[in-house]
Amino acid sequence: SQTIHQWPATLVQPVGSPLSLECTVEGTSNPNLYWYRQAAGRGLQLLFYSVGIGQISSEVPQNLSASRPQDRQFILSSKKLLLSDSGFYLCAWSRLNDGSYEQYFGPGTRLTVT
Amino acid sequence: AQTVTQSQPEMSVQEAETVTLSCTYDTSESNYYLFWYKQPPSRQMILVIRQEAYKQQNATENRFSVNFQKAAKSFSLKISDSQLGDTAMYFCAFMKHRNFGNEKLTFGTGTRLTIIP
Repeated sequence: SQTIHQWPATLVQPVGSPLSLECTVEGTSNPNLYWYRQAAGRGLQLLFYSVGIGQISSEVPQNLSASRPQDRQFILSSKKLLLSDSGFYLCAWSRLNDGSYEQYFGPGTRLTVT
Repeated sequence: AQTVTQSQPEMSVQEAETVTLSCTYDTSESNYYLFWYKQPPSRQMILVIRQEAYKQQNATENRFSVNFQKAAKSFSLKISDSQLGDTAMYFCAFMKHRNFGNEKLTFGTGTRLTIIP
């Protein structure tokens, strides 16, 4: 079976510090991978998606970036965090199931920028 | 662009009763998918049920079922025999049909459901 991991689970960082969040998927190959952000009390906003190693598409202009150094690894980064970067970050992978595409989410990382 | 609207920010229901969560969407696409996700206090997003737009039959998964009205662009979720573990935020989501590799989900703002013992 497939599993998706994210770490760290919780992170508190000062404004201006760098960021690195990691996501890995097990039990599947060549998955499509996604980074979402959920602000407090709101729905999810797609930040980045990747269809393969080194292939990243950005949905929202911001000071965040993403990389996919390995097939099942997806990293979200920032050189200098802003207060507005606080939120809950979710990684997801997708698969084709009975003719439709489904996305499955990791446990998330709660980021607080102080 | 697609939009998804959930007009009920909060709902509560007694345990064992039935509750219906509303969702409407706006799109010019003819082929798409709709989903309901559940986010319990642990905050992990869990896929509850999906519906393909080309299917007229409403999807069901155990106690969960949907009422899909394509012409009205409505996609409600019915939870029967509600249980305490159903307490969560519920998000409606839309996905355009695309070739594999670019399936983006557009989410509504969610409905917070509380099951009262």
